Amino acid sequence: GEDVEQSLFLSVREGDSSVINCTYTDSSSTYLYWYKQEPGAGLQLLTYIFSNMDMKQDQRLTVLLNKKDKHLSLRIADTQTGDSAIYFCAEKEGSQGNLIFGKGTKLSVKP
Amino acid sequence: DAGVTQSPTHLIKTRGQQVTLRCSPKSGHDTVSWYQQALGQGPQFIFQYYEEEERQRGNFPDRFSGHQFPNYSSELNVNALLLGDSALYLCASSLTLTDPQAMSYTFGSGTRLTVV
Repeated sequence: GEDVEQSLFLSVREGDSSVINCTYTDSSSTYLYWYKQEPGAGLQLLTYIFSNMDMKQDQRLTVLLNKKDKHLSLRIADTQTGDSAIYFCAEKEGSQGNLIFGKGTKLSVKP
Repeated sequence: DAGVTQSPTHLIKTRGQQVTLRCSPKSGHDTVSWYQQALGQGPQFIFQYYEEEERQRGNFPDRFSGHQFPNYSSELNVNALLLGDSALYLCASSLTLTDPQAMSYTFGSGTRLTVV
């Protein structure tokens, strides 16, 4: 079945770049997503990428997609303490399908 | 414009009891999906409702059931609660007839269910 894998923890210093990696298994996924979850809160959509794209940039966020290796990454430039949260990679199953999430990467930003 | 609202925010139940969680979708959305997020895990898809019918279902037992009302709001019911049902239950709304883009999925803040 489909599976999404992420590393569980990442620690960076304020001002550095953060790179969060994800691998997925469903080659038919049309959209891949990054969500942010702060403590006690729901999920906030950060960005998404369509499967026929290699890269998408949105202000401080850059998403890279290697479809051959089924590898997705999220780069956060100039990471701030407010970026500390759990980041989830997700793929969509089918055209109207549900989202399949990884276990999340906890990003800690040190001043 | 209100986003997705869920109630209650927190709930404590005893094993064997039944619980009902509620979700009001974002204005203009017609589809509601429910997810279960156990501690330290990513959200797991429970089911999706559209036009008052269950359209898709994840790998959850029949103890989990739902309903969608004509105003698109939805309920999630869980019977015979187990300790393992303790989790954050997230509701997400979307608009089915749009091009299936990510931007149409909006999540609520969730209901934290604790089963003791």
